[in-house]
Amino acid sequence: DQQVKQNSPSLSVQEGRISILNCDYTNSMFDYFLWYKKYPAEGPTFLISISSIKDKNEDGRFTVFLNKSAKHLSLHIVPSQPGDSAVYFCAASDLLAGQNFVFGPGTRLSVLP
Amino acid sequence: GAVVSQHPSWVICKSGTSVKIECRSLDFQATTMFWYRQFPKQSLMLMATSNEGSKATYEQGVEKDKFLINHASLTLSTLTVTSAHPEDSSFYICSAPGPNEKLFFGSGTQLSVL
Repeated sequence: DQQVKQNSPSLSVQEGRISILNCDYTNSMFDYFLWYKKYPAEGPTFLISISSIKDKNEDGRFTVFLNKSAKHLSLHIVPSQPGDSAVYFCAASDLLAGQNFVFGPGTRLSVLP
Repeated sequence: GAVVSQHPSWVICKSGTSVKIECRSLDFQATTMFWYRQFPKQSLMLMATSNEGSKATYEQGVEKDKFLINHASLTLSTLTVTSAHPEDSSFYICSAPGPNEKLFFGSGTQLSVL
């Protein structure tokens, strides 16, 4: 049973527009969430995090929103750039139980020029 | 900032040989490191958690004797794929919890077993 789900395997967005990547989780004990970007044959790159005491965190073009009641988080990229084309993973952890992060299956974002 | 160095980035080996992959935390100490495997178009799969000074914890279905993990110091963990076979060909990535509760990843190792 997948504890972290990313139901859209792929997403295409025009350059300059907003990209919205979604992630749902089932474990209500998760209290820390991360988004990673991954290019082919490279390790993931950390993007942004959010803890369960917040509902929004911004870092430049990247904003993560957390809706705890819906067990849903989303990553917004504004404006989208061709270099943002990659696979995006969300990950969740119950920090009190240790730092074993559970990853979603990823969403492939393609930003079209 | 915190960096995790993984080496080698690419290795090709003959079937039956063993391959060692190193993961180093360069400017922080890590008592725990994680090893993942990724098949094409699939999510990262946690293989094991390596613990400095004690035995690694393996996820269900991962063969301990096949994937030997050693966490010899607070900055180094190694994964040895023993008697590698073509089905072991994959992309292996390590990570370590670093400052500010963030998880830092190595750049990955592409293993190809002929």
